[in-house]
Order: sequence, then C-alpha cells, then structure tokens
Amino acid sequence: GQQVMQIPQYQHVQEGEDFTTYCNSSTTLSNIQWYKQRPGGHPVFLIQLVKSGEVKKQKRLTFQFGEAKKNSSLHITATQTTDVGTYFCAGRPGNTGKLIFGQGTTLQVKP
Amino acid sequence: EPEVTQTPSHQVTQMGQEVILRCVPISNHLYFYWYRQILGQKVEFLVSFYNNEISEKSEIFDDQFSVERPDGSNFTLKIRSTKLEDSAMYFCASKVPTVGPTGELFFGEGSRLTVL
Repeated sequence: GQQVMQIPQYQHVQEGEDFTTYCNSSTTLSNIQWYKQRPGGHPVFLIQLVKSGEVKKQKRLTFQFGEAKKNSSLHITATQTTDVGTYFCAGRPGNTGKLIFGQGTTLQVKP
Repeated sequence: EPEVTQTPSHQVTQMGQEVILRCVPISNHLYFYWYRQILGQKVEFLVSFYNNEISEKSEIFDDQFSVERPDGSNFTLKIRSTKLEDSAMYFCASKVPTVGPTGELFFGEGSRLTVL
C-alpha cells in the first residue's frame, strides 16, 4: 500500500542546535503537508508544498519538496524549547484526497 | 477563530459495545475526515466524506465502522462492536473546498476511546 516513511523517530537536541526531519513516499505525491503535534494535543497545520523542488520558509523553519515529489524535509534552525513536539509529514498520493501521515519525528529540546 | 469540536473527550467502554464519536466541523467546510492515533504512533487515515457520502476509506475502516452526517452540522463515527485494538485517539478533521486535492486539514482536539 501507499506509505510515507519519516526519519528519525526521535531527536534530542540542545537548545540552539539545528534539527532536520526527512520524509519519503513510496509513490509520487500531488502535494505534501507538514503538521506539528504538541504533547497531548492535536495535529496543527504548518505548511503545504505543491510544486516539484519547492522550498518555503517560515521564520526558522525551512520546508523542501523533492524534484520527484516523493520526498520532503523540514529543517529548524537554532531550535528553541517552544519547538518541542512531534512533526508529521503528510502526503496525498496521486490525485486521491486522503492524506497519509508519516510516523512522525518527536523533537525534544534541552534548555 | 473557528474550530472543529469533538465529543466526548474521553470514552471508556466495554469490548463489544457500540460507540458513537461526534464532531462538529467548521461551518463552511465541505470535506470531513476521521483519523485515529494509537498512543505514541502515527496518525492513521480512516475515512473521508464529501457530499453526503464516503469518498475514500482505508483498510482499517471495515464493516464495524460507519460514518454519518445526520443533521447538516454533526459528523459522527460509529463503531458497532468495539475491540481492544480500537483503543486510540480519534481525530475528526475538516477542509474547505479546493480545486484539486490540496488544502490544509483542521483537526479537532480528539476523542480518546478506551476499550476494556
């Protein structure tokens, strides 16, 4: 079946260090989205990428969508304790409407 | 800010019992979804609903599951005969109409189901 794989599963960083999570799909995606889930919370939308090779920035967060539209990454520069949570990529295979989530990367930031 | 609301926040039930989880999507949204998340695991797609019918469903969404939009505002998920492995957080989500399969999902706070 269609799968979206995400690595690493966990990442512990010192505050101020950078963080990157990677997402790979077994099939071409029409678009990819990133969500953040705080502990005990619900997924909250961060961004959507649609075009091949697209790069978007939100302050310290940089999102990339691969040329083949099968992979994506989220990079956080100079992490802060407020960045703590689980980051999920979620892709739409082909022209389906359903959003398939990766396993998530849980980020812990030590002050 | 408009939000998706879900009730109950937590339900404990005995194995074999029926459960109904309720959601009120954001009012101008037309696409509705149920996802579930077993503790510490990924968010899994169950079903999508548009124009009063199921548009897609996953392998998880078997005959024990059903969805309904009974009154134009609520969107419900029914599990007919709960199993232990149905214990999870169930998230409802909704989306505005978009051209093509794009657009962010707005998630509710979730309903935690515990099956004993």
